[in-house]
Amino acid sequence: AQKITQTQPGMFVQEKEAVTLDCTYDTSDQSYGLFWYKQPSSGEMIFLIYQGSYDEQNATEGRYSLNFQKARKSANLVISASQLGDSAMYFCAMRERTTDSWGKFQFGAGTQVVVTP
Amino acid sequence: GAVVSQHPSWVICKSGTSVKIECRSLDFQATTMFWYRQFPKQSLMLMATSNEGSKATYEQGVEKDKFLINHASLTLSTLTVTSAHPEDSSFYICSARDVPSGSKDTQYFGPGTRLTVL
Repeated sequence: AQKITQTQPGMFVQEKEAVTLDCTYDTSDQSYGLFWYKQPSSGEMIFLIYQGSYDEQNATEGRYSLNFQKARKSANLVISASQLGDSAMYFCAMRERTTDSWGKFQFGAGTQVVVTP
Repeated sequence: GAVVSQHPSWVICKSGTSVKIECRSLDFQATTMFWYRQFPKQSLMLMATSNEGSKATYEQGVEKDKFLINHASLTLSTLTVTSAHPEDSSFYICSARDVPSGSKDTQYFGPGTRLTVL
């Protein structure tokens, strides 16, 4: 079963505007971590932001913020003041805590973002 | 942040030949490395988990005899695609982590290797 769902295959956003990328997840574990990665056309995976399941405050890293709604199992990424260099594929990922260790990363299908001037 | 390198960044080979891809952690020791495969416009698919000094754990559906993984040291893991065929053409990405547990020990990804089999 799909654990991470990204419903937006692609989206356009104008430079300097904010954009929200949707991510919902499915887990029965209480302890888990949520991640967002950016993959530009060069292919490298760039870590953007992390949210732990027990973190009460939404994570922020510069222009990136994570809108964490635990009850809805949603972890949307907000990019403020978009720049042309933000054009890339964005992946949401999750790791679940098993009995005594952390599980493998599970990635969503990704959202292609194109920033236009 | 931690740096992971991959070599080569791209490779073109003839069908039937074997190709080795290296993944190195440059400034930390990686007890665990992961190998992913990514087709165009698709997400990353975990192929195997590689632990230093032990056999790799392969995901269901991944042929261990075709994709040989060796994690001989704390800074190097290799993926060998044996008897490559055109359907093996893909983008292969490795990642590494240096912390055995903890949720925020994010994986650091290599830049990827694009394999084209003719």
